[in-house]
Amino acid sequence: IAGITQAPTSQILAAGRRMTLRCTQDMRHNAMYWYRQDLGLGLRLIHYSNTAGTTGKGEVPDGYSVSRANTDDFPLTLASAVPSQTSVYFCASSDGLPAEQFFGPGTRLTVL
Amino acid sequence: GENVEQHPSTLSVQEGDSAVIKCTYSDSASNYFPWYKQELGKRPQLIIDIRSNVGEKKDQRIAVTLNKTAKHFSLHITETQPEDSAVYFCAATMNRDDKIIFGKGTRLHILP
Repeated sequence: IAGITQAPTSQILAAGRRMTLRCTQDMRHNAMYWYRQDLGLGLRLIHYSNTAGTTGKGEVPDGYSVSRANTDDFPLTLASAVPSQTSVYFCASSDGLPAEQFFGPGTRLTVL
Repeated sequence: GENVEQHPSTLSVQEGDSAVIKCTYSDSASNYFPWYKQELGKRPQLIIDIRSNVGEKKDQRIAVTLNKTAKHFSLHITETQPEDSAVYFCAATMNRDDKIIFGKGTRLHILP
């Protein structure tokens, strides 16, 4: 692994299903973030974690949960997916704040 | 609330001319203001950033200015080239640098 990775690359999901998007970084960054990107709405922060064991709510946290059991991994879970959660999801990490954020390649999620 | 406003949403400039994108932020305690570039189908990448103790920063053809009193900052691209065509996002830290919020983005078109 080099940098920050996300899985899956894309997913089509039926409404009501549970889904976990995975994010892993090998840069030993303390801080990690989840954003969703929708046309015309930019990058909206869902949840973030400034260090392992802590998480915080961003601009649009409803319907999503996160955990940060260790430094490297920051999974995002949709407990019961809805069509409005159709989006491109980006994970990012940084060596604390304020500092450059490094983004993963993104996950394109479609909820039908 | 915590927000970052970005204007314009779309900008077209002739190749060789200058482009300016402007952002305002709500949190007077914000200390860090990065700019990200996102090419079509790719992840956002940092192009320049500025901290609150500096009024201006330049890196080759790009520069950022910050006015803390007015709570606004701007990106300036001079001698624009075709490869400058992309979506540009401004951002600012919020909640005492606890998290970072992005503007909605500016789609820049460089016209031949």
